[in-house]
Amino acid sequence: AQSVTQLDSQVPVFEEAPVELRCNYSSSVSVYLFWYVQYPNQGLQLLLKYLSGSTLVESINGFEAEFNKSQTSFHLRKPSVHISDTAEYFCAVSRDSGGSNYKLTFGKGTLLTVNP
Amino acid sequence: DGGITQSPKYLFRKEGQNVTLSCEQNLNHDAMYWYRQDPGQGLRLIYYSQIVNDFQKGDIAEGYSVSREKKESFPLTVTSAQKNPTAFYLCASSGYGYGYTFGSGTRLTVV
Repeated sequence: AQSVTQLDSQVPVFEEAPVELRCNYSSSVSVYLFWYVQYPNQGLQLLLKYLSGSTLVESINGFEAEFNKSQTSFHLRKPSVHISDTAEYFCAVSRDSGGSNYKLTFGKGTLLTVNP
Repeated sequence: DGGITQSPKYLFRKEGQNVTLSCEQNLNHDAMYWYRQDPGQGLRLIYYSQIVNDFQKGDIAEGYSVSREKKESFPLTVTSAQKNPTAFYLCASSGYGYGYTFGSGTRLTVV
């Protein structure tokens, strides 16, 4: 079984500051890793994912995450945040399935609040 | 465009009443999931189905029921046995690929 720990439940930052949202996972097998974003009263949207290959993955809106196997981490970073980045962010893990349907295990979420 | 449609967006339930939340997908995904979301508790899995006419309980199935008669549809019924149903409910699906696609959610309130 897999588990996910998001180390911060809330992260307040000022606009244009850098941010890191921390995610650690536990698994006895190879994994896929995901970050989802949820805006108020909406569903979750996929932000980025690590499946294989380069350990640094990027999203189209400036976020990046690095898979660190030795530290079992998948922290999400952005060098300069905007007010519009205010949302809840969820880290998720599934076993390496070769494309088959395996359930995702989600962390409890980190609320990122960007202040002017 | 392909996606998942949840309806209604807002739903009000009286005490002792059963209500059904709709989830429809046109992504041709095999697997579908129902999650409950409460503030500060993340996503908790209620039921999931990996194939038509088959489904499994998740972590908090008590007081809920589902059916999967068609690949496209996975309705969730919140029964009167669920004593604290006020929450945000999310439906998701996954296919031969990676990760989930989520619907926009249904907010259920007991009145």
